[in-house]
Amino acid sequence: AQSVTQLGSHVSVSEGALVLLRCNYSSSVPPYLFWYVQYPNQGLQLLLKYTSAATLVKGINGFEAEFKKSETSFHLTKPSAHMSDAAEYFCAVIYNQGGKLIFGQGTELSVKP
Amino acid sequence: EAQVTQNPRYLITVTGKKLTVTCSQNMNHEYMSWYRQDPGLGLRQIYYSMNVEVTDKGDVPEGYKVSRKEKRNFPLILESPSPNQTSLYFCASRKGLGSVNTDTQYFGPGTRLTVL
Repeated sequence: AQSVTQLGSHVSVSEGALVLLRCNYSSSVPPYLFWYVQYPNQGLQLLLKYTSAATLVKGINGFEAEFKKSETSFHLTKPSAHMSDAAEYFCAVIYNQGGKLIFGQGTELSVKP
Repeated sequence: EAQVTQNPRYLITVTGKKLTVTCSQNMNHEYMSWYRQDPGLGLRQIYYSMNVEVTDKGDVPEGYKVSRKEKRNFPLILESPSPNQTSLYFCASRKGLGSVNTDTQYFGPGTRLTVL
């Protein structure tokens, strides 16, 4: 079955450190890829999306993600973590145009002072 | 302001007591869907609707019903709730299915349901 996998349910970084959240998809045909963020007690907000244009996608709040077909990956990065980045992050994919959004299990990011 | 609203935000109920969670969007979106979020499982789609009077099952439809009588509203109905339906529920909407490249899926704030 088509799926998306996020490695690590919890990631902890120090303030100012690099943030790296991993996401891998399971298809030989590149899908549409998304990262969402969920702050405590809130809904999901789109951070960025890949739709077959540039492989390096820049999103809001200083986040970016790089699509790597050879690795079937779409990892999310931010050079310097802020305390306000503490949240849960979801990778999601659409495997065909018009298809449904399939979510990964989520990664909770903690930022230590 | 473009938004998806859900009510109630929090609900505690007992097994077997019918309940409805409302969802409304003000963006004239065709596509709406319901998800449940459980720890370690991410979000799983319950039902979706491609337009008025067009609904279909998602991945975990058992125990749920939906209706789409108007474009803006997509209520989720639990006819006889059970404790395994205790979860966080999200409604979402998207313009349509024909333009994934530009469509963004908007999410409501969530409804935390506890079934005792």
